[in-house]
Amino acid sequence: TQLLEQSPQFLSIQEGENLTVYCNSSSVFSSLQWYRQEPGEGPVLLVTVVTGGEVKKLKRLTFQFGDARKDSSLHITAAQPGDTGLYLCAGAGNNRKLIWGLGTSLAVNP
Amino acid sequence: DSGVTQTPKHLITATGQRVTLRCSPRSGDLSVYWYQQSLDQGLQFLIQYYNGEERAKGNILERFSAQQFPDLHSELNLSSLELGDSALYFCASSASGSGETQYFGPGTRLLVL
Repeated sequence: TQLLEQSPQFLSIQEGENLTVYCNSSSVFSSLQWYRQEPGEGPVLLVTVVTGGEVKKLKRLTFQFGDARKDSSLHITAAQPGDTGLYLCAGAGNNRKLIWGLGTSLAVNP
Repeated sequence: DSGVTQTPKHLITATGQRVTLRCSPRSGDLSVYWYQQSLDQGLQFLIQYYNGEERAKGNILERFSAQQFPDLHSELNLSSLELGDSALYFCASSASGSGETQYFGPGTRLLVL
């Protein structure tokens, strides 16, 4: 069974701080997606990483796919209150089904 | 706006009752997914349909059923409701259902009293 573990589960920081959240598995994924979900809304795709070692940047957000395509990280620079939300990773598994992590709940305090 | 619509937005009902949640996918998307999200369980995949046929099953209870109609909209039926079924139910759609981007609807918040 393919599983994705996200850490930390909860994170509360001050505006302007940097942070990194992780998405780890013992399984290899053909691609990995990061979503952000705001309270009362559905998840929205941020980025998809496909190649081992790939780094993608989205403004202050930097996403990295591990060399072995088993893990990924999301780094946020100078966090802002608008970054508050639940960050979910989802990996495309053996049968191309998406395997979802439980998410990291981020609160950025002004 | 993801292009996925879900109705109703809120639903309050009693234990033992039956409800139907409705989802219309993005124009052109053939695959529909249903998810349940609660505070302690996270986002749980329930079931996936592709072009009218069931493609994958997740943690869906026997009291729950779904279908996708010829016009590609989908319905999730929840019966013999229990207090623990209170949750957010999301529908998502994708083009072909092969691990690509899923576009989520706004969800239906179900409260079972």
